[in-house]
Parts: sequence; C-alpha cells; structure tokens
Amino acid sequence: AQSVTQLGSHVSVSEGALVLLRCNYSSSVPPYLFWYVQYPNQGLQLLLKYTSAATLVKGINGFEAEFKKSETSFHLTKPSAHMSDAAEYFCAVSDPNAGNMLTFGGGTRLMVKP
Amino acid sequence: EPEVTQTPSHQVTQMGQEVILRCVPISNHLYFYWYRQILGQKVEFLVSFYNNEISEKSEIFDDQFSVERPDGSNFTLKIRSTKLEDSAMYFCASRELKGAVTEAFFGQGTRLTVV
Repeated sequence: AQSVTQLGSHVSVSEGALVLLRCNYSSSVPPYLFWYVQYPNQGLQLLLKYTSAATLVKGINGFEAEFKKSETSFHLTKPSAHMSDAAEYFCAVSDPNAGNMLTFGGGTRLMVKP
Repeated sequence: EPEVTQTPSHQVTQMGQEVILRCVPISNHLYFYWYRQILGQKVEFLVSFYNNEISEKSEIFDDQFSVERPDGSNFTLKIRSTKLEDSAMYFCASRELKGAVTEAFFGQGTRLTVV
C-alpha cells in the first residue's frame, strides 16, 4: 500500500521568501511522484512529476522538487514566493500496479503575505 | 489546450435521490478516474476505468456507485441513493496511456451537496 504525508497543513511565507512544502511517501514499489496545485474554486493542476529520471525535477511557475530515496521525500520548493502562489498544494504517489491511481497527501495551504 | 470538463459545477440534491455527475475526458485519453474530496479532507480515489470496464475501485466505491461511458465521449458517475456523507467535491480525471507514466489531467470538479 502507498501513502503520502504532507507535514504542515498551512504554511505562511512572505512575498519573495523561500517556499518549502514537505512531502514524505511510502511505497512498496519504485514510486512515481507528483505535485498538484489547486487554486480556489478550480481543479487540480499538475506542477511537476518524478518518474525515475532526474532526481531534481523542475515544474511550472518556478517550482521544483527533489526526490530523495534515502529520506523517502519529495519536497517542493520555490526560491521566491509570489502572491499568485497562494493555493493548496497536494503531493501524490502513483501505483503502477493499480492503474496508476493516485494516493494524495492531506494538502498544504500556502499563504503568501505581502 | 485540451481539458477535462465536468458538469454541473454545483449540484444540490435531497438525501435518497439519485445523482449523475458528468465528465468529458480529453479525447485521446484511455484511462478515466473519479476522485472525491470531502470538505477539509484528502482527495480520495474512487474508481478507475479502462477499456469500458472498471480497472480498480476503492472501498468507498460501494454498490451505491456506478460508472459508465455511455457514448464514447462522456464518463459518468452515478450515486443511486445519496447520503449526507456523499457531500463532497467530485473530480474526474483522465490519462493518456495505459502503463506509461503520464500524468492525470483533472476537471474543475462538481460540488455535490446532499441535504
């Protein structure tokens, strides 16, 4: 069985500050990992994905994530937060043995202060 | 850019009534999913659908739920007799290839409120 834990249901940063959203996973098979973003009243939009190629993955809007197998982590970072980054962020792991269904973490709401 | 479309965006129904949530996946996608998100909780997998049959389903997806691809373009989720606890945001998603690591594309969701 797979699981995802996102530490911190709410994270607040100042505009221009580093964004760090934490994600740890558990998987019995080599994982495929994803970060999705949900803006208010919208669906889930893919930010980036890890598929066993490069461990440092770059996504849209300046976000990146690093896969660390030894730490079972896939933390999301952005060097400088913008007001428009305020949203809910979901980390997810895909099970290739179960139709690539996604198991999501609980989500982290990012707030950006001016 | 192709997108997954869900209708309606909001649905209010009385307990015990049947509801059908509709989705139009991206046209060349082969794998379809329903997820739900109860307010304040995780996004949870309900069911996946491939080659006109259910591929995987979760414990949530009991006999009250069914899915169908009636006409080759729409993908529907039916709840036969809604309960208060079915109130949630329901997301449809589709994916391009079986087995390949392609991402799922999500619709905007249908907010279902059971009263």
